Amino acid sequence: QLVLTQPPSASASLGASVKLTCTLSSGHNMYSIAWHRQQPEKAPRYLMKLNGDGSHSKGDGIPDRFSGSSSGAERYLTISSLQSDDEADYYCQTWYGSVRVFGGGTKLTVL
Amino acid sequence: QVQLQESGPGLVKPSGTLSLTCAVSGGSISSSNWWSWVRQSPGKGLEWIAEIHHSGNTNYNPSLKSPVTISLDKSKNQFSLTLTSVTAADTAVYYCARVDAGCYNLWGQGTLVTVSS
Repeated sequence: QLVLTQPPSASASLGASVKLTCTLSSGHNMYSIAWHRQQPEKAPRYLMKLNGDGSHSKGDGIPDRFSGSSSGAERYLTISSLQSDDEADYYCQTWYGSVRVFGGGTKLTVL
Repeated sequence: QVQLQESGPGLVKPSGTLSLTCAVSGGSISSSNWWSWVRQSPGKGLEWIAEIHHSGNTNYNPSLKSPVTISLDKSKNQFSLTLTSVTAADTAVYYCARVDAGCYNLWGQGTLVTVSS
């Protein structure tokens, strides 16, 4: 069964960098995922598609501060030069066949 | 630029029917994308409900308890969601979204539906 696991919370200081993790379940190491950001009381926003080889394609208007990388079953979202409005929930999402799967989300606090 | 806008009643009675519509503007619903509904219960994460392609093909989340139907109206450039026999557990913000090769790459702003008598 395809499952995405995310730590429930993360924190980092204003102006610093943070690396968020999304882990694919066993046997699904090469699956692509997407990262989405959901600011408080807002709809999710698509950030990027991230492939198993680390290549990624970002959504329209997503700044260079956001980047993605992969290592085995781990998919990462790195946000540099953290701003206060980066404080949000970050969800990873994947797909196989006709099924769509979301991770539980990571709440990022900017200190 | 394609935009999605959900609409529908904000309050539905238990055991009633929840019906929502997503209007697609700035682009055609007959493109190669799939069109999907996702919901988020209060304080919870995102849950995929269903998706549809302009060819009429559909996919549904098998774990949903309430019966669900997704449909598409090419003439109005919109797609719809219907949940029947709803319960309080169906209270959520409902989002429509565009899906490109499995990836949700555009979201509507969402609409809150409360199931209560």
